[in-house]
Amino acid sequence: SQELEQSPQSLIVQEGKNLTINCTSSKTLYGLYWYKQKYGEGLIFLMMLQKGGEEKSHEKITAKLDEKKQQSSLHITASQPSHAGIYLCGGAPAGAGSYQLTFGKGTKLSVIP
Amino acid sequence: KAGVTQTPRYLIKTRGQQVTLSCSPISGHRSVSWYQQTPGQGLQFLFEYFSETQRNKGNFPGRFSGRQFSNSRSEMNVSTLELGDSALYLCASSPRGTNYGYTFGSGTRLTVV
Repeated sequence: SQELEQSPQSLIVQEGKNLTINCTSSKTLYGLYWYKQKYGEGLIFLMMLQKGGEEKSHEKITAKLDEKKQQSSLHITASQPSHAGIYLCGGAPAGAGSYQLTFGKGTKLSVIP
Repeated sequence: KAGVTQTPRYLIKTRGQQVTLSCSPISGHRSVSWYQQTPGQGLQFLFEYFSETQRNKGNFPGRFSGRQFSNSRSEMNVSTLELGDSALYLCASSPRGTNYGYTFGSGTRLTVV
């Protein structure tokens, strides 16, 4: 079965600092999603990456998917307290007939003002 | 444009009872997925429906079931509740499935006592 490993599990950064969260899949992915979750709430969609080597940015968040489509990174520039939360990567395995996402365990981000 | 609506937001049930959770997808979305989130196991896929047909099912016991109606609204049912079923249940909708992106609802917090 497919697994997604996220690192680090938790991160505490000073406001204004940059940070990177990584997501590694045991299998080639059809697509990779990044979500943010506030404790006990739903998932907020950040970005979807489908092509090897693809990079997308939204405001101060940039996500990349490697050429082999097995690793992704999420980079936050000049972090703010509003960036705090749990970041989850979700992957859809390559191959026909897959209609589910497998998620990593999440990275808990705390931003100290 | 309304998002994914899950009802109820919170639910407390007794062991042995059954429960039904509801999910109304974004208008026009025909795919609805259900996930269970617990602190220990993280986000786990339950099942996915498209046009009233279950296309994929996760590794959960038969006590967990679901269905989708002709208007794409979906329900999931858990019979003979166990303490371990306490979790945040999240619903996600998509126009057609994995390569179209998933939007999550706020979830239903189920507590079994």
